[in-house]
Amino acid sequence: DIVMTQTPLSLSVTPGQPASISCKSSQSLLHSDGKTYLYWYLQKPGQSPQLLIYEVSNRFSGVPDRFSGSGSGTDFTLKISRVEAEDVGVYYCMQSIQLPPGSLYTFGQGTKLEIK
Amino acid sequence: EVQLVESGGGLVQPGRSLRLSCAASGFTFDDYAMHWVRQAPGKGLEWVSGISWNSGSIGYADSVKGRFTISRDNAKNSLYLQMNSLRAEDTALYYCAKGYDYVWGRNYFDYWGQGTLVTVSS
Repeated sequence: DIVMTQTPLSLSVTPGQPASISCKSSQSLLHSDGKTYLYWYLQKPGQSPQLLIYEVSNRFSGVPDRFSGSGSGTDFTLKISRVEAEDVGVYYCMQSIQLPPGSLYTFGQGTKLEIK
Repeated sequence: EVQLVESGGGLVQPGRSLRLSCAASGFTFDDYAMHWVRQAPGKGLEWVSGISWNSGSIGYADSVKGRFTISRDNAKNSLYLQMNSLRAEDTALYYCAKGYDYVWGRNYFDYWGQGTLVTVSS
């Protein structure tokens, strides 16, 4: 299985300051079809996960432009340009390049963002 | 507005069975793959199973293969998860999630339900 490793596991940020989360995969997520199968989700307290970013850098509908994704191959980053109180929660990266055998979708351990 | 509403969770003894349901609305259900993703208490996310738009292709995580069966009824806009031979480690909040595309592999989840809690304990 492809292992997704996030750092840091927790983050405390002052409102208005930037934040950055790293996600590294054990194998390249770039497929021969040209797509890179890396996604970011946010799970706010008491809520289900919500999609933020698809295919490395594309913001999902309704996601504020203070969120941005970057990276390639095995190294990826989610950045929040100016953290707001509503951004608290756990951020997960996910890969979906793998086909059977093995688990087709694997998530990182999660990064908990809190406000200072 | 996309809505996914799970039901069927509860307390069940090890070795017994449970069937989860997910009622979908707000989109053309039979155009999209659907998935189950679970989250053990205080833990991260684990993909469980996915099914293509027409049930022609299905996938399972190794941890549930041979015990869980995913299915869908496009006429009823519903997704199901039959869980047999349940174990304590299956205790989790089970989310129904809509796939972005009609195939279940190399896809992602663009909408999630609120989840239904399954507790396996004697």
